[in-house]
Amino acid sequence: QQQVKQSPQSLIVQKGGISIINCAYENTAFDYFPWYQQFPGKGPALLIAIRPDVSEKKEGRFTISFNKSAKQFSLHIMDSQPGDSATYFCAASVSSGSARQLTFGSGTQLTVLP
Amino acid sequence: DVKVTQSSRYLVKRTGEKVFLECVQDMDHENMFWYRQDPGLGLRLIYFSYDVKMKEKGDIPEGYSVSREKKERFSLILESASTNQTSMYLCASSSPAGSTNEKLFFGSGTQLSVL
Repeated sequence: QQQVKQSPQSLIVQKGGISIINCAYENTAFDYFPWYQQFPGKGPALLIAIRPDVSEKKEGRFTISFNKSAKQFSLHIMDSQPGDSATYFCAASVSSGSARQLTFGSGTQLTVLP
Repeated sequence: DVKVTQSSRYLVKRTGEKVFLECVQDMDHENMFWYRQDPGLGLRLIYFSYDVKMKEKGDIPEGYSVSREKKERFSLILESASTNQTSMYLCASSSPAGSTNEKLFFGSGTQLSVL
């Protein structure tokens, strides 16, 4: 079974600190690696995504680092803010015809203290 | 604004009941998905559909079926609900893989409790 392993399960960071969430995958056919952010009572929403032809992608305070040889990727949140408190899911996928099937990690609950 | 609407936010059913979860999207997306979300397990794909009347099994299809009679509507059916199907159910839609702005748009979820 395709798997994506995510750690840590929960993370507490002080305001202004760096939050780091890690994911590892097994299937070398995966070709798309998104991160989703979920606030309580809401569905997940795409935060940032990367394809394996680059090693890093940055959007504002959010950066994905990708290590193809190690089959690992991570999300870095710089200058973490209380508003970043949410559950974060990494995912990986391959295309299946016109639909892309995402395999999600188990999630990380991030709390940013004021 | 893009919208995926799930018919119920909370649902309580009895063991053995037939349960319908409805989802409607207004983005003319070809692809629609049903996931269940459980603490510590993340989101797991139940079924997806890439066209009207077309469906594919995901990772955990047992005990579920789906229906897609119209492009905008995707229904999840629990033929005989069991307590282990108590979960948060999330519907999502997306444009075709590789298209511009490809991503999943999720509904807010239906918390189903089976007693």
